[in-house]
Amino acid sequence: AAGVIQSPRHLIKEKRETATLKCYPIPRHDTVYWYQQGPGQDPQFLISFYEKMQSDKGSIPDRFSAQQFSDYHSELNMSSLELGDSALYFCASSPPRDSFTDTQYFGPGTRLTVL
Amino acid sequence: AQKITQTQPGMFVQEKEAVTLDCTYDTSDPSYGLFWYKQPSSGEMIFLIYQGSYDQQNATEGRYSLNFQKARKSANLVISASQLGDSAMYFCAMREQANQGAQKLVFGQGTRLTINP
Repeated sequence: AAGVIQSPRHLIKEKRETATLKCYPIPRHDTVYWYQQGPGQDPQFLISFYEKMQSDKGSIPDRFSAQQFSDYHSELNMSSLELGDSALYFCASSPPRDSFTDTQYFGPGTRLTVL
Repeated sequence: AQKITQTQPGMFVQEKEAVTLDCTYDTSDPSYGLFWYKQPSSGEMIFLIYQGSYDQQNATEGRYSLNFQKARKSANLVISASQLGDSAMYFCAMREQANQGAQKLVFGQGTRLTINP
C-alpha cells in the first residue's frame, strides 16, 4: 500500500539558512499534518491542512510557514534556521472525514540538522 | 497540564512474554480517539492500533490489543508473545473533538521497550 512520502530524508543546513520540506500524502487523503520531534522528545504538532486550507496551528515559529497545494502535497518552509530547529520533522496524512477512521499515517520523516 | 501520561520510561521483557505499556489520558471532551504508535530506532512512526471513545469493545490488531478503561481514563497497550523486533519506543496519543476538522495528536512521553532474547 502507498505510504506518505517525505523529501528529503536528511538535510543539513547552516544557521540562518532556509529549508523546504516536502510531503506527499497517501492517495485520496485530504488532510496533512506536520510534527516536530526533538532529540529524545515526543512529537509536537506544528500545523495542519484540510482541503488545502490551514486547519489548525500549534507551536510553529513565525519563521516557519506551510501550505497545501492543489494536488494535496504540502511544503514546510523554514527560514532563519537556528540550532534548536534540528529535529525530525514528520508529515502525516489522514483520510476524508466520512471514512471509517481518521487515523494519521506518518511518513518516514525528514531529519534536519542545523550547524 | 499533561494530557497523555506514560509512566514507564523503559521496560525490559523476555522474548515471548506478554507486555503491557501504560497510558492514561485527561480530557473533558466526550468524543476522542486514542492511538498507539511504534517508533523503532530507524525513526519512522508506525501506527499500531486505535480506540474510539464510543467503542464498546477493546481494539485488537494481531498481537496488539488495547485495554481501554474509560472510567479510569486509561488505554494500555498489550503486546502478546513479544518478539525481538518489538524493541522500540512506543507512544500513546490522543485526538480530541472528532469530526470537527483536522485534529492534532497529542503524544505521551513514550516508553522504550526492550525485548531480551
